[in-house]
Amino acid sequence: SQQGEEDPQALSIQEGENATMNCSYKTSINNLQWYRQNSGRGLVHLILIRSNEREKHSGRLRVTLDTSKKSSSLLITASRAADTASYFCATDGGTGGSYIPTFGRGTSLIVHP
Amino acid sequence: SAVISQKPSRDICQRGTSLTIQCQVDSQVTMMFWYRQQPGQSLTLIATANQGSEATYESGFVIDKFPISRPNLTFSTLTVSNMSPEDSSIYLCSGQSAGSEAFFGQGTRLTVV
Repeated sequence: SQQGEEDPQALSIQEGENATMNCSYKTSINNLQWYRQNSGRGLVHLILIRSNEREKHSGRLRVTLDTSKKSSSLLITASRAADTASYFCATDGGTGGSYIPTFGRGTSLIVHP
Repeated sequence: SAVISQKPSRDICQRGTSLTIQCQVDSQVTMMFWYRQQPGQSLTLIATANQGSEATYESGFVIDKFPISRPNLTFSTLTVSNMSPEDSSIYLCSGQSAGSEAFFGQGTRLTVV
């Protein structure tokens, strides 16, 4: 069964705007990862955030993690048309848990030029 | 970061035939996984490929239909056997070492006619 659930399912914005996607999960985790997927191709790893971390940055990406609310957010600042893709969160672990990433349904992001 | 080469990238196959998908990782990884993804959907884990032993299959997936090999820490194959149109999907392999991010191949888009 899926652990993470992304919200919204679809997001449409103009180039230059910020895009925020959220991920909620049900059980405790070791790590949460965000991925991007273009047009049914392979997944590109964006950021891994561990359960003892609250925020990570990578270029225009900012990921936050709130373990008390069992949620994470991915912020893409100053979006570009090339950011158009599906974004997935994946969780793994928890005490005695598996390292196998479990994926949510994804957010489809469209950035209009 | 690991690079995973997956092939073929796409194929169109006749029903009743079998297709073997290969994944080669450029470095040793502890775990390798095989996923299936229907268009517009999330990733569903098929199995964990175990080095030198039988794969561990998720509910709904069986070895006779999806035989998997993993002869060493850098290579795995998935065979889709006796294919039907319902097997049309994207198949993805990933590699991961414990506590680290999972990396994906580019996917195999399979169409069964």
